[in-house]
Amino acid sequence: DIQMTQSPSPLSASVGDRVTITCRTSQTISNYLNWYQQIPGRAPKLLIYAASNLHPGVPLRFSGSGSGTDFILTISSLQPEDFATYYCQQTYSTPRTFGQGTTVEIK
Amino acid sequence: QVQLVQSGAEVKKPGASVKVSCKISGYTLSELSMHWVRQAPGKGLEWMGGFAPEDGKTVYAQKFQGRVTMTEDTSTDTAYMELSSLRSEDTAVYYCTTEPYIAYCSGGSCYLWGQGTLVTVSA
Repeated sequence: DIQMTQSPSPLSASVGDRVTITCRTSQTISNYLNWYQQIPGRAPKLLIYAASNLHPGVPLRFSGSGSGTDFILTISSLQPEDFATYYCQQTYSTPRTFGQGTTVEIK
Repeated sequence: QVQLVQSGAEVKKPGASVKVSCKISGYTLSELSMHWVRQAPGKGLEWMGGFAPEDGKTVYAQKFQGRVTMTEDTSTDTAYMELSSLRSEDTAVYYCTTEPYIAYCSGGSCYLWGQGTLVTVSA
């Protein structure tokens, strides 16, 4: 199974901060990685697919990068509505696996 | 409108089974790869199984082998997930979610999630 390790967890930040979340996989997965945002009580929302592609409708302050085993989600200027939990997921092989989640908290 | 709509909340007793449905609209079931993910209260996302195009078959997570059955009715574009021998640890929100398979997907449009179905297991 491919293990997913997200860091940091949790993350404390302020409105306007630049935030980076890292996801490291135990095996190479090319670019088969998605990033999701989840607000409590809601289904996960797709932000980034195939490592670096912004899902339509997602604000431009979100970006993704990486390939192989190391991936990064960046929020260029944190907004109040961005305080949530973020998950990475690999779709390279079964079993599909998720990172443990990074909760972005208000500092 | 492209969406997944799941069946409503369930309350079950330990040892019972639950069957959750997920109806797709905007695509046909055969165009996408259907998966099921669950989330226990306060916990992260856990993949239960789904159709893996790379394997050409439905694959179940080892943790659920023997207890879970995932089926599809292509005549109604509805997928089902049945979990048996329920225990309190199975209390969770269950999501259906899709990945691209043979559909033409604009952007990330094939990565859909249902609204979630809360299954509560309690005596």
